[in-house]
Amino acid sequence: AQSVTQPDIHITVSEGASLELRCNYSYGATPYLFWYVQSPGQGLQLLLKYFSGDTLVQGIKGFEAEFKRSQSSFNLRKPSVHWSDAAEYFCAVGYEVLTFGTGTRLTIIP
Amino acid sequence: SQTIHQWPATLVQPVGSPLSLECTVEGTSNPNLYWYRQAAGRGLQLLFYSVGIGQISSEVPQNLSASRPQDRQFILSSKKLLLSDSGFYLCAWLRGQYGYTFGSGTRLTVV
Repeated sequence: AQSVTQPDIHITVSEGASLELRCNYSYGATPYLFWYVQSPGQGLQLLLKYFSGDTLVQGIKGFEAEFKRSQSSFNLRKPSVHWSDAAEYFCAVGYEVLTFGTGTRLTIIP
Repeated sequence: SQTIHQWPATLVQPVGSPLSLECTVEGTSNPNLYWYRQAAGRGLQLLFYSVGIGQISSEVPQNLSASRPQDRQFILSSKKLLLSDSGFYLCAWLRGQYGYTFGSGTRLTVV
């Protein structure tokens, strides 16, 4: 069965610092891969997605993610975080039905 | 334009009362629709999904049911709510390679 692991429940970084959120998955083949962001009490917004081709994908709000097939990973990165990036981030994998990780809560300190 | 609507935004219901949450999509036809529940610290749990009118797949046996009476309408229901049904419910629409587009969610509190 497919599964998604986000090992970091909560991450705190300083504003302006770099960020990496980890995501590992287990799937029968290489699935479609997604990162979503959720602000408190809101729905989820798509940050970026990977289907095929270039393993480094660019998303909105300055985020990027790198797909590493050998590690079954799809880590999310941002070179310099802003206070507005504080939110919960979800990695998801699949095709017609997506399986989500349990999320990583990001806190930004001044 | 293509949009997804979900309501109500918040709901407080007593134990044993019925539930009906509605989700509608505009600007597309024959969409794949999904209901997820989000509990604190547990990510998103797929409850139901539908690939067409009257076609419902249930992922988790529980106190809820879903229906798709029209092409762009997906309803989540319960005859008698339990305390454990409390949570944040999200409707989603699969936009092909663009992944899911989510509704704004319904916060359900069962008291």
